[in-house]
Amino acid sequence: DARVTQTPRHKVTEMGQEVTMRCQPILGHNTVFWYRQTMMQGLELLAYFRNRAPLDDSGMPKDRFSAEMPDATLATLKIQPSEPRDSAVYFCASGPRTGEYNEQFFGPGTRLTVL
Amino acid sequence: GQNIDQPTEMTATEGAIVQINCTYQTSGFNGLFWYQQHAGEAPTFLSYNVLDGLEEKGRFSSFLSRSKGYSYLLLKELQMKDSASYLCALGRTNDYKLSFGAGTTVTVRA
Repeated sequence: DARVTQTPRHKVTEMGQEVTMRCQPILGHNTVFWYRQTMMQGLELLAYFRNRAPLDDSGMPKDRFSAEMPDATLATLKIQPSEPRDSAVYFCASGPRTGEYNEQFFGPGTRLTVL
Repeated sequence: GQNIDQPTEMTATEGAIVQINCTYQTSGFNGLFWYQQHAGEAPTFLSYNVLDGLEEKGRFSSFLSRSKGYSYLLLKELQMKDSASYLCALGRTNDYKLSFGAGTTVTVRA
């Protein structure tokens, strides 16, 4: 049963601390997405990768957020320093290799609370 | 850019039918997706339309009219477990990302 996995599932931290979220896409998927979801803003795309190369990170605050794919099985999203307004659920999603069909499979999310 | 509009909330009775409309404006259309998201969980794929017409999957159906920039998700024989948010999302050619609507929260009452 192929699934996207994310760690940690929950994170509570204090303002100013570094937060790192990890995602393991479905094996064989070569497109990886990072989303943030809040009640006010809904589901926002932060960044995405194709074959490990960043294609679009325009949705991400550049001064504090960074996204990487060190290898095909790991994507990371880092916030440094974190702020209370970063509190949200962060979802990772992956998409299959065939580019004609944009379906995305979502991980369970990381619920981040910044105090 | 893209504009995606869907109602914020809908309420229906168990056993009834509910239709969630989604209107959009985009260029390079490459499919209209519907996702279901239960509270506290991740979105899960429900349906995909790229050609005009109706796609049926059990109790759920999705319709697309590309010329009108319009889609709907039809939920039949509503069950309590269908209470969730339903997200309309657009795909574009030569672009791997999806653009999501704000979602429609459906509440099913006994």
